[in-house]
Amino acid sequence: EVKLVESGGGLVKPGGSLRLSCAASGFTFFNAWMSWVRQAPGKGLEWVGRVKNRLDGGTSDYAASVNGRFTISRDDSKYTVFLQMNSLKTEDTAVYYCALYAAPYADYPFDHWGQGTLVTVSS
Amino acid sequence: QSVLTQPPSVSGAPGQRVTISCTVSSSNIGAGSDVHWYQQLPGTAPKLLIYHNNDRPSGVPDRFSGSKSGTSASLAITGLQAEDEADYYCQSYDSSLSGPVVFGGGTKLTVL
Repeated sequence: EVKLVESGGGLVKPGGSLRLSCAASGFTFFNAWMSWVRQAPGKGLEWVGRVKNRLDGGTSDYAASVNGRFTISRDDSKYTVFLQMNSLKTEDTAVYYCALYAAPYADYPFDHWGQGTLVTVSS
Repeated sequence: QSVLTQPPSVSGAPGQRVTISCTVSSSNIGAGSDVHWYQQLPGTAPKLLIYHNNDRPSGVPDRFSGSKSGTSASLAITGLQAEDEADYYCQSYDSSLSGPVVFGGGTKLTVL
């Protein structure tokens, strides 16, 4: 059974930093592409970024709204993907979901999601 | 403003058929880009409902179907049930395959 469990959310002041983790199990993690998707309170889904598998270069891509502030990385030995968030703004307040691509290709959907972790940016 | 445009809300009575549209308004997401659909029940994570325009993951009832023509996609739900009341999102991707993933703004389905 595929499981994605996010952790690390909480309250942080504007300008601060936070690192989210997503612990994965139940699938071949090293072959997977992983993404982060967020949802502001009462709003829709917004893609944050993704990290590809090592075979595809292990590179990351980001939404314009977070590019330069957020970094996605992975530790294949620990079946974990990370989201490092710096220079946080109030508009980054959201539930952050970890999501698994159904296959390691950009045109595939997210077929498994974590339960989400809430990040609140407020003074 | 999202490059995938959905109606904010739709409604229908139990047993009826409803459709939710998803219109692409970006040149970076061409007619060749597939559309996926997700269902988000209140207080839960999104769930994949339809992928590659019209395929259903195992376990999704055949009351749910998808279609796509050019830059317009649709999700149809037949035999509407109370438990279908949820938010529905379409999703696509930059046709270069290296660009961003995009979601529609979401549609709230109310079962009357």
